[in-house]
Amino acid sequence: SQQGEEDPQALSIQEGENATMNCSYKTSINNLQWYRQNSGRGLVHLILIRSNEREKHSGRLRVTLDTSKKSSSLLITASRAADTASYFCATDPAMEYGNKLVFGAGTILRVKS
Amino acid sequence: DVKVTQSSRYLVKRTGEKVFLECVQDMDHENMFWYRQDPGLGLRLIYFSYDVKMKEKGDIPEGYSVSREKKERFSLILESASTNQTSMYLCASRRTSGRSDTQYFGPGTRLTVL
Repeated sequence: SQQGEEDPQALSIQEGENATMNCSYKTSINNLQWYRQNSGRGLVHLILIRSNEREKHSGRLRVTLDTSKKSSSLLITASRAADTASYFCATDPAMEYGNKLVFGAGTILRVKS
Repeated sequence: DVKVTQSSRYLVKRTGEKVFLECVQDMDHENMFWYRQDPGLGLRLIYFSYDVKMKEKGDIPEGYSVSREKKERFSLILESASTNQTSMYLCASRRTSGRSDTQYFGPGTRLTVL
């Protein structure tokens, strides 16, 4: 069952612009994570934000979390062509057996040079 | 660094064949997962294991089975491959201790069933 829903499904921007992707989820969570997938490859972890945090930064990445709205956003600043990839949010549901993350369908980001 | 390896990057099999996909992780993680990924559907969990010889069904277990005889190795088995099992298969592992642990993925196996 998919808990995370990303928006938009696809995003195309020019190099140097900022890219914002959103994720909504349905149940209480321990944390929310963002992953990146280059074409035909496995997923790579980008950043994790805990349920008691509101904002987190890592390099050109900024993640926000609003637990009252059950939503998160990932901002990539000053995008580069190498940022072209699919981005997935994953929630770590509270009170769920199995220690497994629930992934959304992803946002495809294309950065044009 | 955590490393998750998968036995093949690309695999072509015929309908009805038995297919084994192997996954190995080198960080002593308790939890291991098998997903399939199809365009527009995201990652769907097939099976996961939280300990040796333990397995739990995910969201789409039909047509698949798994084996975990050793902690570092988690195998996905297609007993009789069908064309609708053509997909990208991703293995992942994760620690149990602590609730802020990330999941580490292998490079994926693109399986084509003819």
